Amino acid sequence: NAGVTQTPKFQVLKTGQSMTLQCAQDMNHEYMSWYRQDPGMGLRLIHYSVGAGITDQGEVPNGYNVSRSTTEDFPLRLLSAAPSQTSVYFCASRTQGAGETQYFGPGTRLLVL
Amino acid sequence: GQSLEQPSEVTAVEGAIVQINCTYQTSGFYGLSWYQQHDGGAPTFLSYNALDGLEETGRFSSFLSRSDSYGYLLLQELQMKDSASYFCAVPDRGYNKLIFGAGTRLAVHP
Repeated sequence: NAGVTQTPKFQVLKTGQSMTLQCAQDMNHEYMSWYRQDPGMGLRLIHYSVGAGITDQGEVPNGYNVSRSTTEDFPLRLLSAAPSQTSVYFCASRTQGAGETQYFGPGTRLLVL
Repeated sequence: GQSLEQPSEVTAVEGAIVQINCTYQTSGFYGLSWYQQHDGGAPTFLSYNALDGLEETGRFSSFLSRSDSYGYLLLQELQMKDSASYFCAVPDRGYNKLIFGAGTRLAVHP
């Protein structure tokens, strides 16, 4: 199993550009999430999904859209990039349950100029 | 909602024991998890406590006191490779999402 994969690994954008961060998992997990991590800070939840066709907002959803058309894929779209969105983005997946392990992808490092 | 508090930094020497605390405020409690993250890497799962008491996994142990809304991660026989950030996390009601604390950066010195 590849686990959770993310592309690209690095990206530089100009203010106002849009892009999609890709995330895929091959563990048949129902739950998937997107987090952003800023230097010296924790992981803040952007959006999450509990199954195909079902998404919801996390702590910091503004400026981002998600969709979940399949169990495997959970792309994150930046509609109009801003310097404040410079961050490291992690996708994660897990099965349902309070104590279930959450598996993280390797991250996408995004710089918005 | 949920909120978690952890110390921002902890330092220790090789071979020592260190404790990283986490206090939480939640509308409902469904367990406390711990994750480790090395610089430049992704977080990885360490442990989960749903009930009061100590859970041991090798050199790492995790403790929970639900009455005090408090838990800690105990690292024994510290090694240089334990230098990393450690996050506590709680699921929300329905286990739909996992909310993380700001993390504790552990520096292990020779």
